[in-house]
Amino acid sequence: AQSVAQPEDQVNVAEGNPLTVKCTYSVSGNPYLFWYVQYPNRGLQFLLKYITGDNLVKGSYGFEAEFNKSQTSFHLKKPSALVSDSALYFCAVRDMNNNAGNMLTFGGGTRLMVKP
Amino acid sequence: DAGVTQSPTHLIKTRGQQVTLRCSPKSGHDTVSWYQQALGQGPQFIFQYYEEEERQRGNFPDRFSGHQFPNYSSELNVNALLLGDSALYLCASRQQGVIAGAFFGQGTRLTVV
Repeated sequence: AQSVAQPEDQVNVAEGNPLTVKCTYSVSGNPYLFWYVQYPNRGLQFLLKYITGDNLVKGSYGFEAEFNKSQTSFHLKKPSALVSDSALYFCAVRDMNNNAGNMLTFGGGTRLMVKP
Repeated sequence: DAGVTQSPTHLIKTRGQQVTLRCSPKSGHDTVSWYQQALGQGPQFIFQYYEEEERQRGNFPDRFSGHQFPNYSSELNVNALLLGDSALYLCASRQQGVIAGAFFGQGTRLTVV
């Protein structure tokens, strides 16, 4: 079985400061990892993915994430937060092993609050 | 490109009734998945359709069923609605064989009273 943990329900950061949203995962094989953002009353918007290769992945809106296999983590980062980044962020994992299917397993979400 | 479109956006049903939600995938996508997102939680996988067949199913009862049409659009049906079925239902589409982030629709907010 695969699972995702987002240990922080909420992250508060001042505008202009760096931000980190944490994610750890568990899969039986190797992971595909994703970050999505959700604004109020909206669906999920794709931010970035890790498939293979470079452990630092760059995505939309200046976000990036670092894959750490030994710590089974995929933390989302941004060097300088904007007030408009305030939203709900979800980490998701899919097992590369096709026998596990193609389903995405999501974490519980982390609310990011960026204050002016 | 309209992306993934879902209808209706909001729906109120009475306990015990049946409901059908609809999804049109992003152009070029042939695989549709449905997720349930309860308030304050992450999305939970319901099932996935490809080539008009259910290919994978999450931990949901048989009251949840679906269908995929030849044009790749999909329906989610829920019978004998319970209060606990109140949630945001999300449709996601992708192209089979392509490893990419799935594209999500804006969701259907179902309220069971």
